[in-house]
Amino acid sequence: KQEVTQIPAALSVPEGENLVLNCSFTDSAIYNLQWFRQDPGKGLTSLLLIQSSQREQTSGRLNASLDKSSGRSTLYIAASQPGDSATYLCAVRPLSSASKIIFGSGTRLSIRP
Amino acid sequence: NAGVTQTPKFQVLKTGQSMTLQCAQDMNHEYMSWYRQDPGMGLRLIHYSVGAGITDQGEVPNGYNVSRSTTEDFPLRLLSAAPSQTSVYFCASSYSGSPGGGSRQETQYFGPGTRLLVL
Repeated sequence: KQEVTQIPAALSVPEGENLVLNCSFTDSAIYNLQWFRQDPGKGLTSLLLIQSSQREQTSGRLNASLDKSSGRSTLYIAASQPGDSATYLCAVRPLSSASKIIFGSGTRLSIRP
Repeated sequence: NAGVTQTPKFQVLKTGQSMTLQCAQDMNHEYMSWYRQDPGMGLRLIHYSVGAGITDQGEVPNGYNVSRSTTEDFPLRLLSAAPSQTSVYFCASSYSGSPGGGSRQETQYFGPGTRLLVL
């Protein structure tokens, strides 16, 4: 059974730092991996989607990498800002059940001014 | 486009009551799904639909029913509410539920959520 883990559950860093959020999954047989952002009391917003054949995707200050063989993905945030404070979730689409996306429990990020 | 809309935003039920959570999207998406989010557990898939008239079970389907009579709407029904169903419910949609169509096809869009409290 595919499991997605995000460690740490919470992270606090000062403004301006570059930081990395981690996501690991137990079964490397995936179609893609997606990173989402969730603000308190809100729904999820898709940030980046990496196909299994890709190694990374970039959008502005965000860069997501995928190492399928080791079951890991990272979300790199450059020059962090207080507005980046949110919960970040990763999710995988398994080959075994392509219509069922499996989420990690998220990392709650706080950027201190 | 309004995107994905959900109603109500908040609901309190008594044990045993029934209700329907509404979800609608105006993006002509084929794939729609319902998740519940509980503290420390991420999102868990309840039911999903790959098109009008087609539904299937997710990870935690017990106690919930769905139907998909139109492309736009995907209501979630609680037949007899239980305290264990206290949660935040999210509806999501995407152009396609099948992989291989590219990022635009597979990116999921989420509604704002419905907070449900069952007493």
